[in-house]
Amino acid sequence: NAGVTQTPKFQVLKTGQSMTLQCAQDMNHNSMYWYRQDPGMGLRLIYYSASEGTTDKGEVPNGYNVSRLNKREFSLRLESAAPSQTSVYFCAARSVNEQFFGPGTRLTVL
Amino acid sequence: GQQVMQIPQYQHVQEGEDFTTYCNSSTTLSNIQWYKQRPGGHPVFLIQLVKSGEVKKQKRLTFQFGEAKKNSSLHITATQTTDVGTYFCAGTNTGTASKLTFGTGTRLQVTL
Repeated sequence: NAGVTQTPKFQVLKTGQSMTLQCAQDMNHNSMYWYRQDPGMGLRLIYYSASEGTTDKGEVPNGYNVSRLNKREFSLRLESAAPSQTSVYFCAARSVNEQFFGPGTRLTVL
Repeated sequence: GQQVMQIPQYQHVQEGEDFTTYCNSSTTLSNIQWYKQRPGGHPVFLIQLVKSGEVKKQKRLTFQFGEAKKNSSLHITATQTTDVGTYFCAGTNTGTASKLTFGTGTRLQVTL
C-alpha cells in the first residue's frame, strides 16, 4: 500500500520546455489535488479534482493544465516552463477528514 | 480570496520549552486542519477541528479552534527534538468543502 506516489522526484528544465508530473493513489479516494510550495508561502493550490472526470482551478492555475485520467491518476502539465515555476510540487488525495500527500517533485526551471 | 496567516514564521526553542503557533483566517471556516512537515518531507495530517471553541489534545500537543471559527492555535508542551519541522494550519470554507487553504506555516527549531 504505497499511498500517494509522484514521479519524477527531481527535474531540471530549460525555459520553454514542457513536462508532465505524474501522481497516482491506491487509496480509492475521490478527490485529488496539486499544490506548489515556495519558501515562506506555504502550500498553494494549483488545480484539484473533486471526482473522476472533473477538474477545477485553484489559487494559482496559470501556466498549468491537469488531467484526471481515472480515479487513481491525476497529472499536472507545464506546457512552456518558466523560471517562476521553480518550486516543489505536491500531489494529495483526500479522505473524509485528511489529505494524504505524495513525496513531492522538486522542479528547477533554468 | 480567503487568506490564512500564521505567526510566528519561525521559532527557535530549547528542548523542554513550550511552543505555540497561531493561525488566523480572513473568513469564517467550517473546519480547520493541522499538518506537520519535517525538513525535506511532505505534510502529514495531525488533526481536524470542526466545532466552535473545540479543544483537542494529542499527547503534548493541544489544538484549539476559536469561538468565531476564524482562528486556531497549536501548543506544544515541553518540546523535543522530534518536534522539529514546519506546522501548517489549513482551513475549509463553507461551500468549498473540496478545497483547503493552507496557512503560511511556522517553522520550529528545537535545540538541546
